[in-house]
Amino acid sequence: AQTVTQSQPEMSVQEAETVTLSCTYDTSESDYYLFWYKQPPSRQMILVIRQEAYKQQNATENRFSVNFQKAAKSFSLKISDSQLGDAAMYFCAYRRGAGSYQLTFGKGTKLSVIP
Amino acid sequence: DSGVTQTPKHLITATGQRVTLRCSPRSGDLSVYWYQQSLDQGLQFLIQYYNGEERAKGNILERFSAQQFPDLHSELNLSSLELGDSALYFCASSVGGGGNSPLHFGNGTRLTVT
Repeated sequence: AQTVTQSQPEMSVQEAETVTLSCTYDTSESDYYLFWYKQPPSRQMILVIRQEAYKQQNATENRFSVNFQKAAKSFSLKISDSQLGDAAMYFCAYRRGAGSYQLTFGKGTKLSVIP
Repeated sequence: DSGVTQTPKHLITATGQRVTLRCSPRSGDLSVYWYQQSLDQGLQFLIQYYNGEERAKGNILERFSAQQFPDLHSELNLSSLELGDSALYFCASSVGGGGNSPLHFGNGTRLTVT
């Protein structure tokens, strides 16, 4: 079974600074997808960024980028120029490339942004 | 707004009771997923439906059941409720059954069992 581990239960960052959230996963599959979701206090799950395992290039979405290390099974999220609105729970998620397509989530990292 | 609608937003009920949570997926999405989010277990996948048929089952209790109707909306039925069933229940939808099409989540239903 696939597992996703987020080793940092809580993180904090100064506004305008950069922070990196860690995620590792365990799988025997070669075809899969990785996602970061954000859950603000409003509790809605919002997709931040996604990465296809077959792509070597790291995904970027504006201030958000990932460092995907396939061999190490690592998928970290970097948030640049942190803003107050970035404060939220961040969940790393894994999805198989074939078969059933549900997401397996990590336990989450609570990010606080300090003004 | 994700386009996924969940009702009700909040539900308070007593142990032993039965409740039904409803989800309308985004227009055009054929897959519906149900997740349970609790403090101790995190986000747990319960069940997936694709175009009316059950596609995958996760950690769903026998007291729980779900279905997807011809109009693609889905309902999650929770019966013989226990205190431990108190959680946030999310519905999510996607266009197809997989690939890199992301899941779009509703705002969840907060269930409190007293």
